[in-house]
Amino acid sequence: DTGVSQDPRHKITKRGQNVTFRCDPISEHNRLYWYRQTLGQGPEFLTYFQNEAQLEKSRLLSDRFSAERPKGSFSTLEIQRTEQGDSAMYLCASSSGLAGAILNEQFFGPGTRLTVL
Amino acid sequence: GQNIDQPTEMTATEGAIVQINCTYQTSGFNGLFWYQQHAGEAPTFLSYNVLDGLEEKGRFSSFLSRSKGYSYLLLKELQMKDSASYLCAALDSNYQLIWGAGTKLIIKP
Repeated sequence: DTGVSQDPRHKITKRGQNVTFRCDPISEHNRLYWYRQTLGQGPEFLTYFQNEAQLEKSRLLSDRFSAERPKGSFSTLEIQRTEQGDSAMYLCASSSGLAGAILNEQFFGPGTRLTVL
Repeated sequence: GQNIDQPTEMTATEGAIVQINCTYQTSGFNGLFWYQQHAGEAPTFLSYNVLDGLEEKGRFSSFLSRSKGYSYLLLKELQMKDSASYLCAALDSNYQLIWGAGTKLIIKP
């Protein structure tokens, strides 16, 4: 299967701990997105990369959140000093990023469900 | 600001037809996506419209009116497995997807 994969699928942590999630996009895709989704809401944009460059970061994202994509392939999302309000599903998506809007269809990974106790 | 509006919840009967509406306001526009999301799962792509008109794909069709900032997703011959949330998302001038909150569709036998 060459779809988007995420690890771990579930993470339970105590408030104040740091957590890191990994996303492996579809191999030929240049763009990689991170979203957060809570129950009954659509995905909330966090950040995205074009290859290894982080091009945009949501203003809603506090400085406790950081993301990297060092080699333009997989990406990590780290949350420092977690808070109960960080509990959510963290989704990663990738797209080809080439000219032609239909090619910007985003393919989603299964998500990482974070529970902060 | 950028905004997507769609109903929170809809109920329909198995075998019937349902139309889910979406209105959007974005900075620039490069197309409108519909995604399906089952509970606890990631969204999956259903359709894409960039020109005015109706795109049909099996039991699902999607319509776009750019002048009205309006789209709808039409689901025919509803099946129980169609129970899911349906997300409308508009692609803005930066090719970023602006997402609606989703419409939860409940199918009754």
